[in-house]
Amino acid sequence: GNSVTQMEGPVTLSEEAFLTINCTYTATGYPSLFWYVQYPGEGLQLLLKATKADDKGSNKGFEATYRKETTSFHLEKGSVQVSDSAVYFCALSLENQGGKLIFGQGTELSVKP
Amino acid sequence: DGGITQSPKYLFRKEGQNVTLSCEQNLNHDAMYWYRQDPGQGLRLIYYSQIVNDFQKGDIAEGYSVSREKKESFPLTVTSAQKNPTAFYLCASSIGGSGKTQYFGPGTRLLVL
Repeated sequence: GNSVTQMEGPVTLSEEAFLTINCTYTATGYPSLFWYVQYPGEGLQLLLKATKADDKGSNKGFEATYRKETTSFHLEKGSVQVSDSAVYFCALSLENQGGKLIFGQGTELSVKP
Repeated sequence: DGGITQSPKYLFRKEGQNVTLSCEQNLNHDAMYWYRQDPGQGLRLIYYSQIVNDFQKGDIAEGYSVSREKKESFPLTVTSAQKNPTAFYLCASSIGGSGKTQYFGPGTRLLVL
């Protein structure tokens, strides 16, 4: 079936460190891929997305490239800040399925000063 | 301001009781979704609706019911048949279709007394 797998957390980094959160997917067809972020006690916000192979999504210093050959969409940021501490979710949606999202389990990021 | 509102923020359910969670959006979106979030897990789809007066079951619909009588409203009822209702419930909306951004509400935390 269709699924998303993320690296397990929590991930703890020092401020200004480089961040990578791995995400791989299994899907029939050609999915659109998303990264959402959730701050404590809140709903999710879209961080970035890519809708076709080789597209790169970017926002607020975060980037992810849609790699069809490795079925991956890894999230990266060159220099994290304390304010980036949150839970990050990778997700996919497929054509003709009502736009519903299939989520990974989430990766908690904690950035220390 | 356009957005999605959910109420209440916290909800307590007694044994055998049905409770209804509210979700309202003023984004003029056609599609609306309900997800359940459990600690350390990703979001799982309960129900979704692509258009008024129509909705489909998601992956974990048992013990839940919905209605979509108005475009802006998509209430979720947690019935007494749902034996493990304690969770964080998130409502989302989008213009519909794969690759389209879903906008999330702030969530309702349901607790069992």
